Amino acid sequence: AQSVSQHNHHVILSEAASLELGCNYSYGGTVNLFWYVQYPGQHLQLLLKYFSGDPLVKGIKGFEAEFIKSKFSFNLRKPSVQWSDTAEYFCAVNAYGATNKLIFGTGTLLAVQP
Amino acid sequence: GAVVSQHPSRVICKSGTSVKIECRSLDFQATTMFWYRQFPKQSLMLMATSNEGSKATYEQGVEKDKFLINHASLTLSTLTVTSAHPEDSSFYICSAPTGTSGGALSTDTQYFGPGTRLTVL
Repeated sequence: AQSVSQHNHHVILSEAASLELGCNYSYGGTVNLFWYVQYPGQHLQLLLKYFSGDPLVKGIKGFEAEFIKSKFSFNLRKPSVQWSDTAEYFCAVNAYGATNKLIFGTGTLLAVQP
Repeated sequence: GAVVSQHPSRVICKSGTSVKIECRSLDFQATTMFWYRQFPKQSLMLMATSNEGSKATYEQGVEKDKFLINHASLTLSTLTVTSAHPEDSSFYICSAPTGTSGGALSTDTQYFGPGTRLTVL
């Protein structure tokens, strides 16, 4: 069965600090990978996704993620965070193919201090 | 972008009553929709896949007689929590994928509703 683990449950950063959130998945086949963000009081929004091709994926709001197949990882990065990046971040995976069921990680709550 | 709505956003009910939650895709059609449950400080757990014109597919451990799903049209799926109890209190979120396949491919982008907070007293 597929699973997703996010190692950082709660991260606190100051503005302008760099961010890296870890995500590892467990699945033997080809996967599609996603990062979603949930701002306070809002619904989940897609930050970025990886299906194939260049393993370095750029998303909205300056976020990027790198797929490292050998490590089963899809870590999210941002070189300089802003207070407005305060939110909960979820990594998700689905198996390549006909199913689009998403399996989510436990989420990482990011608090950016001004 | 595509918009998914849910109604109601919050509901409080007495134990033993049934509660219906609606999920609508406002500007696109979705043959498939998904229902998730989110406990406090936990991730989204997929409950079931709602299929227009056929029965829903439930994840292991989810009681289909407890959580009734009806995909009435290409833009509406409903989740009914029957005989709700306090342990059913949770945040319920739906999602709908878009794409030319009608949501059949894993590469379709999914859009999420704002969620429904259910509190059972």
